[in-house]
Amino acid sequence: TQLLEQSPQFLSIQEGENLTVYCNSSSVFSSLQWYRQEPGEGPVLLVTVVTGGEVKKLKRLTFQFGDARKDSSLHITAAQPGDTGLYLCAGTFSGTYKYIFGTGTRLKVLA
Amino acid sequence: DTAVSQTPKYLVTQMGNDKSIKCEQNLGHDTMYWYKQDSKKFLKIMFSYNNKELIINETVPNRFSPKSPDKAHLNLHINSLELGDSAVYFCASSGGPSYGYTFGSGTRLTVV
Repeated sequence: TQLLEQSPQFLSIQEGENLTVYCNSSSVFSSLQWYRQEPGEGPVLLVTVVTGGEVKKLKRLTFQFGDARKDSSLHITAAQPGDTGLYLCAGTFSGTYKYIFGTGTRLKVLA
Repeated sequence: DTAVSQTPKYLVTQMGNDKSIKCEQNLGHDTMYWYKQDSKKFLKIMFSYNNKELIINETVPNRFSPKSPDKAHLNLHINSLELGDSAVYFCASSGGPSYGYTFGSGTRLTVV
């Protein structure tokens, strides 16, 4: 059974700080996505990574896919209160059709 | 225009009642899903339909019955509601897993 563990589970930081969120699996991803979910809304897709070692940037967000495609990280530079939300990784694994969500990281950025 | 819309947004009902949640997508995606998000925010797949055909049916009580009249619609009917069914239910659609999912804004179901 594939599991997606995210760390940390909770994170509360001051505006302007940097942070990194991790997503780890024991299996190889075919592809991986990151989502952000705000209260009362559904998850919104931020990025898709496919190639091992791939790095993608979305303004202050930097996404990295591990070389072995078993892990990924999301780094936020100079966090703002608008970054507050639940960050979820999700993906499919080689040899299976199942799309699995990670355990989530709840981020709160204080003004 | 909302890409994936689901109704109602909130649903409060008594135990034992039957209720339905509706979902529509205008993205032209072939695949639609129902997810349940529990109080710990974990998203768990319930059902998946591809072009009106059921392709994923996870371990869900048979009180839950999805129906897809066409590939743009996927409704969820729940019979004999129980307290443990209280959760947020999300509809989603996708053009393929490598493209990610587009979610609706959720239906918060509260069974009292």
